[in-house]
Amino acid sequence: QQQVKQSPQSLIVQKGGISIINCAYENTAFDYFPWYQQFPGKGPALLIAIRPDVSEKKEGRFTISFNKSAKQFSLHIMDSQPGDSATYFCAAYGGGADGLTFGKGTHLIIQP
Amino acid sequence: ETGVTQSPTHLIKTRGQQVTLRCSSQSGHNTVSWYQQALGQGPQFIFQYYREEENGRGNFPPRFSGLQFPNYSSELNVNALELDDSALYLCAGSLAGVAGELFFGEGSRLTVL
Repeated sequence: QQQVKQSPQSLIVQKGGISIINCAYENTAFDYFPWYQQFPGKGPALLIAIRPDVSEKKEGRFTISFNKSAKQFSLHIMDSQPGDSATYFCAAYGGGADGLTFGKGTHLIIQP
Repeated sequence: ETGVTQSPTHLIKTRGQQVTLRCSSQSGHNTVSWYQQALGQGPQFIFQYYREEENGRGNFPPRFSGLQFPNYSSELNVNALELDDSALYLCAGSLAGVAGELFFGEGSRLTVL
């Protein structure tokens, strides 16, 4: 059972545009929602994270929007740059020793 | 730089063999976890170690086992390898009290023939 559903699977955005990746979760015990960025041949790197007590968090060009009632959250990348081309994973964490539950990933390509 | 290093970077094994993957995490990462990432998929949680004891496990069989050492290094052992075990194995350290914020190594790519 996939507990975190991520879409789209792949995304092409023009340089300077806005990239939007969406995730939905089922388990209401999740209380921490990070986004990871992974370049080819590298491990995932934490990009930005949010807790359900806020609806939005912004760090530079990256923003997480969180809708607790709909059990959905999304990543927005403003002014997308070719260097943002990577695979992005949303994840959810329920505390304790459960580990992170990851989505299947979105392969983002920013065209110059 | 995450402070997490893994070895080997690549290895090839045959079905039925055993493999040991190693991870070294920086001081302060008192929790280490291992993830399996199949090609084109998100990482899947294998297990977590805290103070040298396993304290959490995902949906993986007992032939996946591990160790954590006092110097924050860790091992993942997989017995009786199967073709489906072919994947990137990621080790992650986390800071005390911030268990959901993981610092991943670059992984060990295992191919089972």
